[in-house]
Amino acid sequence: KAGVTQTPRYLIKTRGQQVTLSCSPISGHRSVSWYQQTPGQGLQFLFEYFSETQRNKGNFPGRFSGRQFSNSRSEMNVSTLELGDSALYLCASSLTASSASNEQYFGPGTRLTVT
Amino acid sequence: GQQLNQSPQSMFIQEGEDVSMNCTSSSIFNTWLWYKQDPGEGPVLLIALYKAGELTSNGRLTAQFGITRKDSFLNISASIPSDVGIYFCAGQRGAQAGTALIFGKGTTLSVSS
Repeated sequence: KAGVTQTPRYLIKTRGQQVTLSCSPISGHRSVSWYQQTPGQGLQFLFEYFSETQRNKGNFPGRFSGRQFSNSRSEMNVSTLELGDSALYLCASSLTASSASNEQYFGPGTRLTVT
Repeated sequence: GQQLNQSPQSMFIQEGEDVSMNCTSSSIFNTWLWYKQDPGEGPVLLIALYKAGELTSNGRLTAQFGITRKDSFLNISASIPSDVGIYFCAGQRGAQAGTALIFGKGTTLSVSS
């Protein structure tokens, strides 16, 4: 079974631009979560989607948004990019949105550099 | 955001040695997960723990869910060079917090042969 895939793997953007990242979960998984990883803050939860609905959101500004499609694929968008948004953005998929026996599997990430 | 207290921050060991790392929190978690991350890749799930007191093994790896539900540890026995990487603990509160994972800062493991 194929793992979580994320595209693109690398991205360079300029301050003020916006960016869209894509994630395809493991086949059969319906829950997708996004995380930001930086050297200073480590891994931080952004949001979680299940059945096309955002179920949970981390402590990030409204410039960070996401959505999930009917095939469980998910996208996240960052508008008005800032230098501090440079990070590895990780997508994780799990079978359901239940917290019981719910293992999250990560994709390889998208490395975003904002100049 | 909140993070777990993971220690040690880094370890330098000889091949064949055993390794132990742990995570603590002031909050209770329903699930503890341990991941390993190699450079340029996403974290790979090693072990998942769902019950207080649970002890689970995956090959040379053993992890335990603390009785208080506020801590967990990971042991690696007879380390080999491919064990090199960053190990993260992650806790999941469940209920209204959903499946959001809270991560430790990681333990960087170096193994010399």
